[in-house]
Amino acid sequence: KQEVTQIPAALSVPEGENLVLNCSFTDSAIYNLQWFRQDPGKGLTSLLLIQSSQREQTSGRLNASLDKSSGRSTLYIAASQPGDSATYLCAATMDTGRRALTFGSGTRLQVQP
Amino acid sequence: GAGVSQSPRYKVAKRGQDVALRCDPISGHVSLFWYQQALGQGPEFLTYFQNEAQLDKSGLPSDRFFAERPEGSVSTLKIQRTQQEDSAVYLCASSHKRASRGNEQFFGPGTRLTVL
Repeated sequence: KQEVTQIPAALSVPEGENLVLNCSFTDSAIYNLQWFRQDPGKGLTSLLLIQSSQREQTSGRLNASLDKSSGRSTLYIAASQPGDSATYLCAATMDTGRRALTFGSGTRLQVQP
Repeated sequence: GAGVSQSPRYKVAKRGQDVALRCDPISGHVSLFWYQQALGQGPEFLTYFQNEAQLDKSGLPSDRFFAERPEGSVSTLKIQRTQQEDSAVYLCASSHKRASRGNEQFFGPGTRLTVL
């Protein structure tokens, strides 16, 4: 059974700092990995999706990497802003035809102005 | 265009009541998913539809949970005889089937269910 772990569980940084959020998964047979943002009381906003054949994806100040062999993905946020404060979740889809996402518990990020 | 919508946004039920939660997916999306998110945790998969066919219901926690999507668009998640442990946010997501688009899932705002 796939297990997804996110470290750290919470992170507080000053505005302007570059930061890295970590995601690890136990079964490397993934189809893709998706990063989401969740604001309090809201649904999930898709940030980046990396297919298993890709190594990284970029969108604005966000860059996500994927290393299937080591079971790791990272989300890099450049020049953090207070508006980046949210919970960040990673989720994997298995390469077995099963379409369900397996989520980590998230990293709660606070960017201090 | 419009995203995934869910209703109601909040639901309070007395223990033992039945509830029905609605999801309207993005137009043209053939895949629809339901997830349950407990406080402080990541969402957990409940069930998946492709058009009107329920292809995976392995995540439904008990036979009190039932989902349907009779016409391949709107879906309803029904919980019978609600228990306090059913209190959670119920999230719906949809995705396009085309392989070129991968399996990117787009989520609705969720329904927060509180069982007293």
